[in-house]
Amino acid sequence: DVKVTQSSRYLVKRTGEKVFLECVQDMDHENMFWYRQDPGLGLRLIYFSYDVKMKEKGDIPEGYSVSREKKERFSLILESASTNQTSMYLCASSLPVTYNEQFFGPGTRLTVL
Amino acid sequence: GQQVMQIPQYQHVQEGEDFTTYCNSSTTLSNIQWYKQRPGGHPVFLIQLVKSGEVKKQKRLTFQFGEAKKNSSLHITATQTTDVGTYFCAARNTGTASKLTFGTGTRLQVTL
Repeated sequence: DVKVTQSSRYLVKRTGEKVFLECVQDMDHENMFWYRQDPGLGLRLIYFSYDVKMKEKGDIPEGYSVSREKKERFSLILESASTNQTSMYLCASSLPVTYNEQFFGPGTRLTVL
Repeated sequence: GQQVMQIPQYQHVQEGEDFTTYCNSSTTLSNIQWYKQRPGGHPVFLIQLVKSGEVKKQKRLTFQFGEAKKNSSLHITATQTTDVGTYFCAARNTGTASKLTFGTGTRLQVTL
């Protein structure tokens, strides 16, 4: 079974702090994704990566950056956390074939005070 | 970016009643996927539709892809309490091989 793990289930940070969210997948997937999920807005894509050191902006990249130094690991970075970044963050991975499902991690609920 | 509208946002049914959620795009889609997220859980893939007019069934769930490949629906017959959760469609445009655009989701509540 594909397993996608995220470093924290719950995280509380203060405004202005630098925040790192880590995601690791164990199925050698080329593609990895970061989404945020907010009530009534569904899942919105922040960034995705289709290879090591490669990244592409999603629909809402402002205030975020990412890092992919190893194939299995994809990190989301909030350079200076703000209260409007309080959300559920979901990581996903998939094979690069066009018609492939995405496998999601359990999510990190981030609260920025 | 592309927008995918999903309705209704929320539906509450009695166990045994049917349920349908609809997904609409303004652009022609390459394919569409459906995911289910149980309360407190993460989205889990249900199915993918690729062909125009395609219909697929999984037990009590019926998935359809529109003839114009701009809309899709998920119908659940005789709902059960185990169907509770949020159902998302996720659309893929032609030329965006890996990227999915998720709908806003429909939260289904089923009571006895």
